[in-house]
Amino acid sequence: AQSVTQPDIHITVSEGASLELRCNYSYGATPYLFWYVQSPGQGLQLLLKYFSGDTLVQGIKGFEAEFKRSQSSFNLRKPSVHWSDAAEYFCAVADAGNTPLVFGKGTRLSVIA
Amino acid sequence: DTAVSQTPKYLVTQMGNDKSIKCEQNLGHDTMYWYKQDSKKFLKIMFSYNNKELIINETVPNRFSPKSPDKAHLNLHINSLELGDSAVYFCASSHGTQYFGPGTRLLVL
Repeated sequence: AQSVTQPDIHITVSEGASLELRCNYSYGATPYLFWYVQSPGQGLQLLLKYFSGDTLVQGIKGFEAEFKRSQSSFNLRKPSVHWSDAAEYFCAVADAGNTPLVFGKGTRLSVIA
Repeated sequence: DTAVSQTPKYLVTQMGNDKSIKCEQNLGHDTMYWYKQDSKKFLKIMFSYNNKELIINETVPNRFSPKSPDKAHLNLHINSLELGDSAVYFCASSHGTQYFGPGTRLLVL
């Protein structure tokens, strides 16, 4: 069965600092990989996805993620964090495009001045 | 235009009541889902429908009954509500990538 691990429950960064959120998955083949963001009281917004091809994917709001097969990882990065990036971030994996997502437990990002 | 919409946004009810949550998508997708987010923010799949047919039913109590009257709608009916049903319920639709509704925050008293 697939599983997703987000090792960091809560991360605090200063505004303007760089960010990396970790995600590791367990799956036999190459999965479909996603990052979603959830602001307080809101729904889930897709930041980016990886299906195949270039292992460095660009997303919205200046985020990027890199798929590393050898490490079974799909870490999310942003070079300079803004206060509005404070939210819960979820990594997710699926077998294929139209199969249910398996989510990690999320990483809460706090941004300080 | 809202791609995936859910109503109501908030639902407060007593134990033992029956309630429904509605979901509509205007993306033309064939596949729709219901997810439950618990108090610790953990998201888990409940049901998956493809073209109005039930594809996946995770171990969800049979008090939960999804219904898809057409491809654009997937409603969730919950009978005999229990305290443990308090959660945020998300509808989603997909054609490769899943897009989520805003969620319905259910509180059972």
